Amino acid sequence: DIQMTQSPSSLSASVGDRVTITCRASQTINNYLNWYQQKPGKAPKLLIYTASSLQSGVPSRFSGSGSGTDFTLTISGLQPEDFATYYCQQGYGSPLTFGQGTRLEIK
Amino acid sequence: QVQLQESGPGLVKPSQTLSLTCTVSGGSIRSGGYYWSWFRQHPGKGLEWIGYMFYTGSTYYNPSLKNRVIISVGGSNSQLSLKLGSVTAADTAVYYCARGIPFAHGPTNWFDAWGQGTLVTVAS
Repeated sequence: DIQMTQSPSSLSASVGDRVTITCRASQTINNYLNWYQQKPGKAPKLLIYTASSLQSGVPSRFSGSGSGTDFTLTISGLQPEDFATYYCQQGYGSPLTFGQGTRLEIK
Repeated sequence: QVQLQESGPGLVKPSQTLSLTCTVSGGSIRSGGYYWSWFRQHPGKGLEWIGYMFYTGSTYYNPSLKNRVIISVGGSNSQLSLKLGSVTAADTAVYYCARGIPFAHGPTNWFDAWGQGTLVTVAS
């Protein structure tokens, strides 16, 4: 299985901050990397697909980059509704696998 | 706009079969070229892919569950079924169905629509 490792596991930030979350794959996955946001008691929400494509309806403050094994999700100008847990997911090999999540908390 | 809704028993006894249905509104699981998928999330933990069914009926499963899981069309072309056999307490989780969008330029997909999830507890 392809292991996905996110860092940090948790992060404290303030409204207006710029934050970056990193996801590393245990082998190359081209750009087959997706990012999701999940709030407590809710289903995941797709933010970014194929590493850098913004899902329709997602604010432009969210951006993704990377290829191969290293990827980043950046949120520029945190808003109160952005405090949640973020997951990366690789779509290169079976089984599909997720990172362990990064919990973004209000400082 | 497609909407997905999971339904099924919230409590299943050990060794029995967990059966869930995902009802798709605004679309058919037999058209559109999508991957109709099941995921689960153990309490307080991350996400696990269970498997998916392509709109053609082809199925793909997580090898860790392959011997126990069946994903199929439910009672109608708007319903997706999940059956997981020989359950134990380790199968206690929130189960989600989701729609997978295939990438036009490569063998991958992403999941753009999710149900709200349903908690299934395995206990006697």
